[in-house]
Amino acid sequence: NAGVTQTPKFRILKIGQSMTLQCAQDMNHNYMYWYRQDPGMGLKLIYYSVGAGITDKGEVPNGYNVSRSTTEDFPLRLELAAPSQTSVYFCASSFGLAGPLGDEQFFGPGTRLTVL
Amino acid sequence: GIQVEQSPPDLILQEGANSTLRCNFSDSVNNLQWFHQNPWGQLINLFYIPSGTKQNGRLSATTVATERYSLLYISSSQTTDSGVYFCAVVAGYGNKLVFGAGTILRVKS
Repeated sequence: NAGVTQTPKFRILKIGQSMTLQCAQDMNHNYMYWYRQDPGMGLKLIYYSVGAGITDKGEVPNGYNVSRSTTEDFPLRLELAAPSQTSVYFCASSFGLAGPLGDEQFFGPGTRLTVL
Repeated sequence: GIQVEQSPPDLILQEGANSTLRCNFSDSVNNLQWFHQNPWGQLINLFYIPSGTKQNGRLSATTVATERYSLLYISSSQTTDSGVYFCAVVAGYGNKLVFGAGTILRVKS
């Protein structure tokens, strides 16, 4: 299993440009998540999905959009990039189990995005 | 929302020393995970531990859910243990992890 994969690894955008960060998982997980990590900080949730066709906002959704057409893929779209979106973006996935079996989240390697 | 506080914020150890990292949280949790972020930025799962005690080699973790804290123990530290250690929790409905600010660990040879 490749686990959670993300592309690209690095990207530089100009202000106002748009791009899509790709995320895929091959663990048959139901839940997928997008987080961002600003320098010296912990991660913050942008959006999450509990299954194909279902998405919801996290703590910091402004400036981003997501879609989930398949179980495996969960792309994150940045429209009109701004310097405040300079960050490292992590995708994660989990089974979404409730109860004592729990719901461990597994993270991809991250995408480092700079907006100039 | 739930607050997650980690201490100490920064820790310098000599190789071979032991350490304890602490995570306090302000509400009851359904999920608690410890991660190691290595110097290359990769997030590595250490423990999934909403309650109880687990051990994996030189690392162990204990969560006392009723008292709202978790501890990560690192014994016989090595330079490869350097990096940032994050505690993250899920409270209430849903699976949204809330991260602490992390503990920066530097192990010197």
